[in-house]
Amino acid sequence: AQSVTQPDIHITVSEGASLELRCNYSYGATPYLFWYVQSPGQGLQLLLKYFSGDTLVQGIKGFEAEFKRSQSSFNLRKPSVHWSDAAEYFCAVVSSGGSYIPTFGRGTSLIVHP
Amino acid sequence: DVKVTQSSRYLVKRTGEKVFLECVQDMDHENMFWYRQDPGLGLRLIYFSYDVKMKEKGDIPEGYSVSREKKERFSLILESASTNQTSMYLCASRRGDGYTFGSGTRLTVV
Repeated sequence: AQSVTQPDIHITVSEGASLELRCNYSYGATPYLFWYVQSPGQGLQLLLKYFSGDTLVQGIKGFEAEFKRSQSSFNLRKPSVHWSDAAEYFCAVVSSGGSYIPTFGRGTSLIVHP
Repeated sequence: DVKVTQSSRYLVKRTGEKVFLECVQDMDHENMFWYRQDPGLGLRLIYFSYDVKMKEKGDIPEGYSVSREKKERFSLILESASTNQTSMYLCASRRGDGYTFGSGTRLTVV
């Protein structure tokens, strides 16, 4: 069965600092990988996704993520964080040859200090 | 843009009540999902549906059922609400590689 691990429950950064949120997955084949953001009281918004091809994926709001097959990772990065980036971030995996049902990590809460 | 609408943002229900959470999507998506979101646990799949009148159990179906009589509507039913079902419930729909989520319903069972 596929699984997703987000090892950091909370991350605190200063505004303007760089950010990296970690995501590791467990799946036999190459999965489809997603990052979502959830602002307080809102649903999930897609930041970016990886299906195949270039392993560095650009998303919305200045985010990017890099797929590393050897490390089973799909870490999310942003070079300079804004206060409005404070939110909950979820990594998700979908099996490429099966049911297309997303499995989510437990989420990482991003706190941004002024 | 695809829209997934959950009819209630906040609900308060009493223990033992039958509760209906409604979800409607406007883009003819075949697949629809119900997730439950709890702090520290992420999103857990309750039920999903591939098409009208089809339903499949997810990871935590106990205490829930679903109904999909029309393609655009996927209802989550709590047959007899309990306090441990207090949670945020998120509905999603999918077509191809695109998943769209609703804004969620925060249910409190007292």
